[in-house]
Amino acid sequence: QITLTQQAESLWVSPGEKVSITCRASQSLLYTDGKHYLSWYQQRPGQTTKALIYHASIRTDGVPTRFIGSGSGTEFTLSIEDVQPEDIALYYCLQTLKKPYTFGAGTKLELK
Amino acid sequence: EVQLQESGPGLVKPSQSLSLTCSVTGYSITSNYWGWIRKFPGNKMEWMGYISYSGSTSYNPSLKSRISITRDTSKNQFFLQLNSVTTEDTATYYCARTTVAPFDYWGQGVMVTVSS
Repeated sequence: QITLTQQAESLWVSPGEKVSITCRASQSLLYTDGKHYLSWYQQRPGQTTKALIYHASIRTDGVPTRFIGSGSGTEFTLSIEDVQPEDIALYYCLQTLKKPYTFGAGTKLELK
Repeated sequence: EVQLQESGPGLVKPSQSLSLTCSVTGYSITSNYWGWIRKFPGNKMEWMGYISYSGSTSYNPSLKSRISITRDTSKNQFFLQLNSVTTEDTATYYCARTTVAPFDYWGQGVMVTVSS
């Protein structure tokens, strides 16, 4: 199965800063249709899990433009520009290229 | 608005079966894909499986023959059954919808503890 590695267990950030969360796959997530099957999710206590990005760089409906997905092949990044207090959460990457679908271990974004 | 809500017992005894329901409002489960995901203590997430718009299913091989996902289209609900549970199945269980975006809507999750 494909392993996703989120190296950082936690990242500390101040409001207004930019932060990047990385996700590395054990094999390329590029499919023959030219799309990367990598998604990003946000989990906050008391809230439903929110889908942020799919196909590596496409924001889901209603996601603020400060959330930016990038990357290709095996290396992917979720960047959050101008971090807001409500962005403090746990972030996961997910690959849906091959079954079983697999998640990264998660990166917790915390306030400095 | 699409909403998903998990329900079921919060405590299951070892060797018994875990049964959960996902009730969906605002969207028909006869479209797209409907899945189950769980989050273990310590935050590890695992995709368990899904049922499609046609009723076909796909499961994580790690769950082998213990898992079954079914549906009742008349009630717009789908179900998870996990047999022969152990303490390692203690987790928060989520249901979620997949369209072109994987797992674009999630339920709040239901915590299930396996303990005697």
